[in-house]
Amino acid sequence: AQKITQTQPGMFVQEKEAVTLDCTYDTSDPSYGLFWYKQPSSGEMIFLIYQGSYDQQNATEGRYSLNFQKARKSANLVISASQLGDSAMYFCAMREMDTGRRALTFGSGTRLQVQP
Amino acid sequence: EAGVTQFPSHSVIEKGQTVTLRCDPISGHDNLYWYRRVMGKEIKFLLHFVKESKQDESGMPNNRFLAERTGGTYSTLKVQPAELEDSGVYFCASSHTLAAQQFFGPGTRLTVL
Repeated sequence: AQKITQTQPGMFVQEKEAVTLDCTYDTSDPSYGLFWYKQPSSGEMIFLIYQGSYDQQNATEGRYSLNFQKARKSANLVISASQLGDSAMYFCAMREMDTGRRALTFGSGTRLQVQP
Repeated sequence: EAGVTQFPSHSVIEKGQTVTLRCDPISGHDNLYWYRRVMGKEIKFLLHFVKESKQDESGMPNNRFLAERTGGTYSTLKVQPAELEDSGVYFCASSHTLAAQQFFGPGTRLTVL
């Protein structure tokens, strides 16, 4: 069964510094996708970045990058140059591609607080 | 382009009452998903529609939950009768194709007293 683990319930970072949010996953499906979502206090879920299991390079989107280590089954999110607006909950999620199911499996989330 | 919308944003009901949540996906998105996050736990998948058909309802917790998507446009999720443990945030998401990114709505916060 697929599983996502986020071991950091809360993180603090100083404004303008980089921060890494951890995510490990477990799946027996060789084809899968990994996602990160941001949930600010307003409640909406905002898609940040995607990594496919067969992608050769780590995904990057602006200040977000995904440190994908397939052998270790980890997909950590790196936010560079943190901003106050980055304070939010962050969820790692996975979707298996070969099973036919399209449901996302989520981790428990990490609450990031950016301090001035 | 309008995003996924959900109504209401908040609902407070008493145990035993009925509540209906609505989701309007992004126009043209055939795939519609319902998820929920109960207090302190992970976001869990409930079900997946492709147009008006239920593709996967393996996450529906019990028969008190009924989801419909008549006409393949908006969807409703009815909880009848509501129980205390149903409290949480119910998210709807939609995607254009099965492999595409899922866009989430703002969620409906349900409180059952």
